[in-house]
Amino acid sequence: AQRVTQPEKLLSVFKGAPVELKCNYSYSGSPELFWYVQYSRQRLQLLLRHISRESIKGFTADLNKGETSFHLKKPFAQEEDSAMYYCALSTKTGYSTLTFGKGTMLLVSP
Amino acid sequence: KAGVTQTPRYLIKTRGQQVTLSCSPISGHRSVSWYQQTPGQGLQFLFEYFSETQRNKGNFPGRFSGRQFSNSRSEMNVSTLELGDSALYLCASSPTTGFNYGYTFGSGTRLTVV
Repeated sequence: AQRVTQPEKLLSVFKGAPVELKCNYSYSGSPELFWYVQYSRQRLQLLLRHISRESIKGFTADLNKGETSFHLKKPFAQEEDSAMYYCALSTKTGYSTLTFGKGTMLLVSP
Repeated sequence: KAGVTQTPRYLIKTRGQQVTLSCSPISGHRSVSWYQQTPGQGLQFLFEYFSETQRNKGNFPGRFSGRQFSNSRSEMNVSTLELGDSALYLCASSPTTGFNYGYTFGSGTRLTVV
C-alpha cells in the first residue's frame, strides 16, 4: 500500500527566508503527486500537481523518483503563506483516490 | 460558478444514532469522493462515486455507506454512531474519474458524537 510522510508537523520561518516542506512517499508504481493547502478558516485547496510542472504563488515542487520525494519549495516566504500544507499521492490504477500525509503547519513570522 | 456544497455544516449526534451528510459537487463534475479528517489519523479516504456507482472504498467499517444520484449529488450515511466517528467529513468533486485532475473540496461537515 502507498504511504505519504511529511516529517515536520510545524515549520517556522521568518518572512523572506527560503522554505522547504518535505514530502516522501512509498509506492511501487508511478505516482501522481499533489500539494494541497488549507489557509485558516478556508477549505482545502489544490496548490499544485507534479504533472503540470507549474509554479503557484511562487511555490514549486519537483518529483524525485530516486529519493521518492516531492518537496515543496519557495525562495522567499511571505506572511500570507502561513497555512497547513498537505502532500498527497494518487496511483494510476483507474481511481481518483488520494493518500494524504499528516500535514505540515507553516508559520511565517514578520 | 458555485463550489462544492456540503450540508449541514455542523452536527451533534448521540452514540448509536445514524447520520446522513449531503454533498453537491461543482456543476458538471461527475466524480464525488468523501474523506474523513481527524487530528490523529489526518485525512483518510472513505469512498468515491462516479456515475452513481461506487468506484472505490477505503478501509472503513460497513457502518459507513454512501450513494450518488443521477445529478451527481452524493450522500454518505453512518449508522450506529461511535464516539470515534467524531470528525470533519470532507466531500470533493472532480470532472471525471480515472485520472486525478485534482479535487475541489467542500468546507466539510463537522460531526460530533456524544
